[in-house]
Amino acid sequence: ETGVTQTPRHLVMGMTNKKSLKCEQHLGHNAMYWYKQSAKKPLELMFVYNFKEQTENNSVPSRFSPECPNSSHLFLHLHTLQPEDSALYLCASSQAGLGEAQYFGPGTRLLVL
Amino acid sequence: SQELEQSPQSLIVQEGKNLTINCTSSKTLYGLYWYKQKYGEGLIFLMMLQKGGEEKSHEKITAKLDEKKQQSSLHITASQPSHAGIYLCGADMAAGNKLTFGGGTRVLVKP
Repeated sequence: ETGVTQTPRHLVMGMTNKKSLKCEQHLGHNAMYWYKQSAKKPLELMFVYNFKEQTENNSVPSRFSPECPNSSHLFLHLHTLQPEDSALYLCASSQAGLGEAQYFGPGTRLLVL
Repeated sequence: SQELEQSPQSLIVQEGKNLTINCTSSKTLYGLYWYKQKYGEGLIFLMMLQKGGEEKSHEKITAKLDEKKQQSSLHITASQPSHAGIYLCGADMAAGNKLTFGGGTRVLVKP
């Protein structure tokens, strides 16, 4: 247990569906992150939130919409996804600032049909 | 090419043998982080290095950062089946809290 939980752990959705991924951290951190891990590609940073404010959007398509209502919770809203969006989506948290290690959740395995 | 290169991509070692994984960048790294991942699961934080020449150890795992802060190595002594997994290096390249990751090294330990 890393102190970061993600739900659901597995998700299958059609291209016309709308779904949301949830992340919660119990570490008292104030920065949260979404990453995408696809087969045969390095882990890719998607979004960064510091103190609930989005500070990084790494050219992510608008069909992915993040939400950070407070420092402990992070959501990723999904709509009209494509099959190539199938991947492991990982949430992480850390203290904001330099030299702070990020702690990862177990991930949500997403399959888009 | 990737900003952060890991080598080898995979390796198989006999139980009890040592192994080394390398992580190289063409840029100076502000922080270097090593993680371990079981297939399809989240990343487990192992160690963080920030200073040139820094070396840290935990149990049988030792990580080093070179003086130029462009290359790091992860060394496992007397490997065990529990060391199997994917090892990833992540680096802070812009003095912020954005990490760039290498492609990972898949380690298999044969009993």
